[in-house]
Amino acid sequence: DQQVKQNSPSLSVQEGRISILNCDYTNSMFDYFLWYKKYPAEGPTFLISISSIKDKNEDGRFTVFLNKSAKHLSLHIVPSQPGDSAVYFCAASRYSFNKFYFGSGTKLNVKP
Amino acid sequence: GAGVSQSPSNKVTEKGKDVELRCDPISGHTALYWYRQSLGQGLEFLIYFQGNSAPDKSGLPSDRFSAERTGGSVSTLTIQRTQQEDSAVYLCASSLDNMNTEAFFGQGTRLTVV
Repeated sequence: DQQVKQNSPSLSVQEGRISILNCDYTNSMFDYFLWYKKYPAEGPTFLISISSIKDKNEDGRFTVFLNKSAKHLSLHIVPSQPGDSAVYFCAASRYSFNKFYFGSGTKLNVKP
Repeated sequence: GAGVSQSPSNKVTEKGKDVELRCDPISGHTALYWYRQSLGQGLEFLIYFQGNSAPDKSGLPSDRFSAERTGGSVSTLTIQRTQQEDSAVYLCASSLDNMNTEAFFGQGTRLTVV
C-alpha cells in the first residue's frame, strides 16, 4: 500500500531553469511533509519540510508547496544547478506517529 | 560524531548466514529508525525506537529480522538465515523526537547476499 507516490521516476532540466518535483499522498491524516535529497552511495539528506498548517515554505532556492485538498505537494528548485542532480524523495508522517512514509523517488538531472 | 554512523558500509554474505548491522545515532536523539532501499525502490520502513517505549516493529518483513537498541543509543539490526531478497541498502536514521522533526540518515550499509 503506497501511501506516498512519486509518479515521475526521472526529470531532466537545463541549468538555470526551474525544476518541479511532484508528490501525491493518499492518507488525509498526514500533517508533516519532507523532502530529502540522495546522492549515490550516500544516505538521504534532509532538504526542506512543511507542516499541514502552511501551504508554502521557502528556503533559498527551494520552495515546497502543499495542496491539502488535492493531497499533493511539490518541490520547486529555482534556479536549478548541476549540483542539484540527485534522487529526491518526498516523505510524510502523522503528528506523534513514528513512521515516515517515503515515495519511490525522482531522479533529477540538471544539464549544464 | 556529528552524524549518524553505520557499519559496515558494505557487507557480502552467503545465503543462510546471519548478519548484524550497526547504527550509532546522533548524540541526544531519542528516536531511531531503520529503513531499507532495494534496487530501484523507495525507502521501506522496518522498525522504530523512541526512548524507552516499545519499538514499532510493524515494518519488519519476517521473523528473520530483529533489532535492538541498547541504552537508548546504539542499535543493531540482525538478519538471520539471509536470503537473496534481503539484498538492499539498509539505512538508519535518528531524530530529536517524534514530534514533527526531520530524521537524519546515515550513509547506509549495502548488503549483498550471494
